[in-house]
Amino acid sequence: DAGITQSPRHKVTETGTPVTLRCHQTENHRYMYWYRQDPGHGLRLIHYSYGVKDTDKGEVSDGYSVSRSKTEDFLLTLESATSSQTSVYFCAIKWGSTDTQYFGPGTRLTVL
Amino acid sequence: GESVGLHLPTLSVQEGDNSIINCAYSNSASDYFIWYKQESGKGPQFIIDIRSNMDKRQGQRVTVLLNKTVKHLSLQIAATQPGDSAVYFCAENANAGNMLTFGGGTRLMVKP
Repeated sequence: DAGITQSPRHKVTETGTPVTLRCHQTENHRYMYWYRQDPGHGLRLIHYSYGVKDTDKGEVSDGYSVSRSKTEDFLLTLESATSSQTSVYFCAIKWGSTDTQYFGPGTRLTVL
Repeated sequence: GESVGLHLPTLSVQEGDNSIINCAYSNSASDYFIWYKQESGKGPQFIIDIRSNMDKRQGQRVTVLLNKTVKHLSLQIAATQPGDSAVYFCAENANAGNMLTFGGGTRLMVKP
């Protein structure tokens, strides 16, 4: 357990509504990541952060934005959710100076 | 671009037997590899890692083998138990430490 929590754990929403997912860590890790996991695609990087207010895009960033106003929280926002964003979302942290990433429990998002 | 390649087979083994899960990678610049275990409804869990300056690394009941010549990674689980049933996937670091590329996964089913 790397001290990562995600909220909510499950959410059902309608197309066109905004959605924000929260990742919270308790151990002051610099790097945080958001992934989505879909059948047949494995884990794909959406955005990542390398410090407060420092973020960058990943492989599948279209339709998503992120914010990191403090070290412990990394927020993922879907400004206007679409059905193609139905997925399981995982947050991860990079442990210290190592290359190892540890994952949170995930958020299952369904967009109707 | 180059990425970890992992077909998505299902490996079925008898409890007590040894399991071998394979992963092929294509980026010769990758210098760090991780195996993750993911149980249904949970986030990926770190199992074991290996750097490219090693050929073999052992953990508790698990061994990772790296063959750089043919760009192949394997995870061996000794005396497989029902609790080992999960999806296993490998990841590689080919980008100076900050991002991982993930394979698709292999489902391991352990028959009692």
